[in-house]
Amino acid sequence: QKEVEQDPGPLSVPEGAIVSLNCTYSNSAFQYFMWYRQYSRKGPELLMYTYSSGNKEDGRFTAQVDKSSKYISLFIRDSQPSDSATYLCAMKSGTSYGKLTFGQGTILTVHP
Amino acid sequence: DVKVTQSSRYLVKRTGEKVFLECVQDMDHENMFWYRQDPGLGLRLIYFSYDVKMKEKGDIPEGYSVSREKKERFSLILESASTNQTSMYLCASSLDTGVLVALHFGNGTRLTVT
Repeated sequence: QKEVEQDPGPLSVPEGAIVSLNCTYSNSAFQYFMWYRQYSRKGPELLMYTYSSGNKEDGRFTAQVDKSSKYISLFIRDSQPSDSATYLCAMKSGTSYGKLTFGQGTILTVHP
Repeated sequence: DVKVTQSSRYLVKRTGEKVFLECVQDMDHENMFWYRQDPGLGLRLIYFSYDVKMKEKGDIPEGYSVSREKKERFSLILESASTNQTSMYLCASSLDTGVLVALHFGNGTRLTVT
């Protein structure tokens, strides 16, 4: 069983839809949670991070962490075609010295 | 802006060749990483380095080695390339090792081993 599971999709939604991307994990030591976005033919870039249970909002993006259920989510409101990308969740334990464990990535397409 | 530059965008090598993938960062970051990215498997860590001449194995180090002689440069070496090493290779650097690890990635090298 992988430490981090992420539905690879692909996910296709109309412009303006609310998108929900999810990851589950099995390692209780994970304390820090991140979402990276990767456009085609580019490297991933950090989108959001959080280290506590609850919600964190940044514009149209909301990151949610439920440590009791070992479940994290990224919500995108009013999705735009420019949001079309692969979204990767990533996690880190307190002692992992910078080492991240990534999910498989979800391919999202937002069509006009 | 942090820039992480990978020397080749596409590379085609033959089985058994020794392959060097080069990565340079311009932000004086202590930490550098090599990942490979495969469909359905996500990013998997091959090796990382938290200081010059210091290196640590990641999750899949077999068949690879690394070199970090200078802070800004981190090389991935495939000692004897095999077809199962055909993949997208991503180099990254970071400044923080504490709460937030903001990895700055290069745009990748797509390696094909025939």
